[in-house]
Amino acid sequence: GAGVSQSPSNKVTEKGKDVELRCDPISGHTALYWYRQSLGQGLEFLIYFQGNSAPDKSGLPSDRFSAERTGGSVSTLTIQRTQQEDSAVYLCASSGLRDTGELFFGEGSRLTVL
Amino acid sequence: AQSVAQPEDQVNVAEGNPLTVKCTYSVSGNPYLFWYVQYPNRGLQFLLKYITGDNLVKGSYGFEAEFNKSQTSFHLKKPSALVSDSALYFCAVRDGNRDDKIIFGKGTRLHILP
Repeated sequence: GAGVSQSPSNKVTEKGKDVELRCDPISGHTALYWYRQSLGQGLEFLIYFQGNSAPDKSGLPSDRFSAERTGGSVSTLTIQRTQQEDSAVYLCASSGLRDTGELFFGEGSRLTVL
Repeated sequence: AQSVAQPEDQVNVAEGNPLTVKCTYSVSGNPYLFWYVQYPNRGLQFLLKYITGDNLVKGSYGFEAEFNKSQTSFHLKKPSALVSDSALYFCAVRDGNRDDKIIFGKGTRLHILP
């Protein structure tokens, strides 16, 4: 597609369950980011993939969070043993402009943990 | 590590008046600076960026921003506000000396009053 695609758009889960969120970036974009948006918390950086380099995982809030990017394209963010404080909108963005980093965002995946 | 501060959670401006949304940053290398906008129920959109060159950069929808190195600021401005400018605005920074992640501020909600 023409833009960044995220799925599911909405996910309701029970506390303690694992969830997977998927991001399909714009074709050819080498950089891929995951951010989390909570009320009053702005955009919290989670993880950054750039080409074949080791990802920058410095924003992952705990070891329950992990992400991978297969073949330099699709990325999956996994949250294990979900907690209520994980409820947020998870945003994916990609960039093909290595020198400047203008980002193209998906619509996000809204996660609600009951 | 880079960081961004948006000191105002909310800014109210009367339609037709000039608007300013404040942003200050901290980065060890050369700053790459960005503004993004999030309209209600829509994804984040790129507005403008400063990489190098003129300190005053112009972007979409009549917005502009001024890079001030001595004050480490990158305030967003528009000469005459429209009601349709009401949205959530995010400032972001990247260390231009490194192939590094983009960090966002907490956002400022702009209300344009008719």
